[in-house]
Amino acid sequence: SYELTQPPSVSVAPGKTARITCGGNNIGTKSVHWYQKKPGQAPVLVVYDDTDRPSGIPDRFSGANSDNTATVIISRVQAGDEADYYCQVWDDRSDHLVFGGGTKLTVL
Amino acid sequence: QVQLVQSGAELRKPGASVKVSCKASGYTFIDYYIQWVRQAPGQGLEWMGWINPNSGGTNYPQNFQGRVTMTRDTSISTVYMELSWLTSDDTAVYYCARTGLRFGEILQLDSWGQGTLVTVSS
Repeated sequence: SYELTQPPSVSVAPGKTARITCGGNNIGTKSVHWYQKKPGQAPVLVVYDDTDRPSGIPDRFSGANSDNTATVIISRVQAGDEADYYCQVWDDRSDHLVFGGGTKLTVL
Repeated sequence: QVQLVQSGAELRKPGASVKVSCKASGYTFIDYYIQWVRQAPGQGLEWMGWINPNSGGTNYPQNFQGRVTMTRDTSISTVYMELSWLTSDDTAVYYCARTGLRFGEILQLDSWGQGTLVTVSS
């Protein structure tokens, strides 16, 4: 089955840029989606199809996907961005959804 | 606006079953799949399967096969997820979420229910 690998944690100072990676075999050939999850709240889609943003998501959130690594990039990080971030793809071989293990973003 | 409203928190004993509902509004119910995802305390998001509200077709991952059943009632735009043979490991918040399709590809989960806490304890 297809697997996605994320770093457990990323730390960044306010105002700086955070990059959270998601590794998978030839992930560059798949559409990658990213979700923000805060305690006690439902996940929120922040980036879809590698680079697109849903309406209402600040343009500080962007994404990239190439070869074996997808990345969500959060510019000008704010305290309110502190959350867990999950990448997700659809595995066409199994018709299953796959989530990465999640990355805790800490704003210093 | 798109809304998914789930049923309330549940407490079950080990070995029992639980059925969680997810009522959709604000869009054409049969045009989007519904996914179920759970999060156990301190753990990540875990995909439990999907249902096609139009056909009733389902797809479950191996680790839930035989224990999960997803159904729908199109007359009230509601899907259900039933999990049986509960253990303490099933204590989690369960979410439903909507996904579209693009030429057979399942797209992003763009709207989520508020979550339902299921607690399994003797």
